[in-house]
Amino acid sequence: AQTVTQSQPEMSVQEAETVTLSCTYDTSESDYYLFWYKQPPSRQMILVIRQEAYKQQNATENRFSVNFQKAAKSFSLKISDSQLGDAAMYFCAYDNQFYFGTGTSLTVIP
Amino acid sequence: KAGVTQTPRYLIKTRGQQVTLSCSPISGHRSVSWYQQTPGQGLQFLFEYFSETQRNKGNFPGRFSGRQFSNSRSEMNVSTLELGDSALYLCASHDGVPGETQYFGPGTRLLVL
Repeated sequence: AQTVTQSQPEMSVQEAETVTLSCTYDTSESDYYLFWYKQPPSRQMILVIRQEAYKQQNATENRFSVNFQKAAKSFSLKISDSQLGDAAMYFCAYDNQFYFGTGTSLTVIP
Repeated sequence: KAGVTQTPRYLIKTRGQQVTLSCSPISGHRSVSWYQQTPGQGLQFLFEYFSETQRNKGNFPGRFSGRQFSNSRSEMNVSTLELGDSALYLCASHDGVPGETQYFGPGTRLLVL
């Protein structure tokens, strides 16, 4: 069975600094997708970024980028120039998106 | 397009009762998935419906059931409620294409007393 692990329940970052959230997963598949979702307090979950496993190049969306290490089954999210609005729960999800990690709560310190 | 809507937004029930939650997906999306979100457990997948058929199922007891109508609207039912069923229930809408984004609703917060 596929599993997704987020080992950092809570993280904090100074405004304008960079933070990296970790995610590892377990699968025997060779082709799949990985996702990071953001859930702001009392607001709906939205997609931050996604990565296709067969693509070697790491996905980037503005200040958000991933470090995808397929052999290590690692999929970390880097947030650059952190803003107050980045404060949220972040969830890593695998492939068909039925498998989510337990989330990382990110606090942004002014 | 209108987003995913869920009703009701808040619900208080007592143990032993049953509850039905509703989800309306984005127009044109045929897949609806349901999740239970609790602190520390993250999102636990309940089931997915696609074109009125349950296509995937998570590891929840039979007290949790669902269905999907021809207009893609979905309902989730929980019978014989337990205190541990208190959670935020999220539904997500998807167009069925692998790798595409799920769009989440605001959730229904269920409190079981």
